[in-house]
Amino acid sequence: KAGVTQTPRYLIKTRGQQVTLSCSPISGHRSVSWYQQTPGQGLQFLFEYFSETQRNKGNFPGRFSGRQFSNSRSEMNVSTLELGDSALYLCASSLTGQEKLFFGSGTQLSVL
Amino acid sequence: QKEVEQNSGPLSVPEGAIASLNCTYSDRVSQSFFWYRQYSGKSPELIMSIYSNGDKEDGRFTAQLNKASQYVSLLIRDSQPSDSATYLCAFRGVNQAGTALIFGKGTTLSVSS
Repeated sequence: KAGVTQTPRYLIKTRGQQVTLSCSPISGHRSVSWYQQTPGQGLQFLFEYFSETQRNKGNFPGRFSGRQFSNSRSEMNVSTLELGDSALYLCASSLTGQEKLFFGSGTQLSVL
Repeated sequence: QKEVEQNSGPLSVPEGAIASLNCTYSDRVSQSFFWYRQYSGKSPELIMSIYSNGDKEDGRFTAQLNKASQYVSLLIRDSQPSDSATYLCAFRGVNQAGTALIFGKGTTLSVSS
């Protein structure tokens, strides 16, 4: 069974640009969560989706948005990039009713 | 703001010793607690979950939970160099929009051979 797949693996953008990251969950997993990981702040919760609906959102500005498609694949978008958005963005999926998160390898975003 | 506090380390132990990792959390109503392990350059993976007070053992790992003290710990017996990683404590917390898994910043463990 394939794991959580995130694309692209690396991204380099400049300030003011926007970026879209993609996440394909494990087959059968309908819940997808996104996290931002930085050395200073650790893993911070961005949002969670289940059956195309956002179930929860973390304390991030409106520049961060996401969506989930009917096949459970998810995308997150960051508009008007800032230097501080440089981070590893991790996606995790889980089975319905299960607490265990399965993480993808992440997308390393660098904003110059 | 729901928080998880962990000593960032590094915690250094010799091979074969017991490594003790500690974590405190701010949410008194949380019922679910987790330990994730993250190797350098890799993504986190779940190693233990605990839901009730007391100890839970799984091989060389023991998780301990004390809800009254809002404290959870992870003991690793017979530590091996392959245990060298960052250990993330997490709990399911409630915010204004629902529940989310809240992570600590992690404790880096180094096991020397």
